Amino acid sequence: QSVLTQPPSVSGAPGQRVTISCTGKNSNVGAGYDVHWFQQLPGSAPKLLIYANTNRPSGVPDRFSASKSGTSASLAISGLHPEDEAIYYCQSYDNTLSGDIVFGGGTKVTVL
Amino acid sequence: QVQLQQSGPGLVKPSQTLSLTCFISGDSVSNKSAAWNWIRQSPSRGLEWLGRAYYRSKWYNDYAVSVKGRITINPDTSKNQFSLQLNSVTAEDTAVYFCGREATKLGSYYMDVWGKGTTVSVSS
Repeated sequence: QSVLTQPPSVSGAPGQRVTISCTGKNSNVGAGYDVHWFQQLPGSAPKLLIYANTNRPSGVPDRFSASKSGTSASLAISGLHPEDEAIYYCQSYDNTLSGDIVFGGGTKVTVL
Repeated sequence: QVQLQQSGPGLVKPSQTLSLTCFISGDSVSNKSAAWNWIRQSPSRGLEWLGRAYYRSKWYNDYAVSVKGRITINPDTSKNQFSLQLNSVTAEDTAVYFCGREATKLGSYYMDVWGKGTTVSVSS
């Protein structure tokens, strides 16, 4: 059971927009800790997609965007590409675990 | 660019110690703006952060509550690398282990570079 809750899967046709939610509690996301997002392709390490809630590292396409409000955060992919098919994870910190890094359970994005 | 190269055995016997090393190129383990982490991933536990080592005029460690007491993360400045030791392993410690760099920007720390991962099985 992951500390942050994500839907197991979402899907969309190429060109469509999908969103992934990441729900936490007052001890983590709601406590003001930043949320980061990662993309993991099969057999690879996670890759940083969004840092500090809304920021894209250089090289990440601008079809990826994210937001945070209260105890939740969300990642949006606008204009789905086939290569966006992957598992996406959110990550934050939790003050009931001495500031440990915590992850969501991951959301599989399928491009139909 | 910064790269992390992992090494270590893929098979460990129950009750023994799991040892992995992460060699850093393109950065320094003593970088006062970075932290050096170990994370593991298994089907049953998902992504699980294990701990970090970082230098801020002296060395510090943070460890996950789930493994505290069994884990040691040590920097090696002479080889520019850091290591993971996890004692008294059981089958529950079977996972893919990643090393990662936490960098900072906009006052936030985030894992921007990851090693490729090492699959570790705990079995007799």
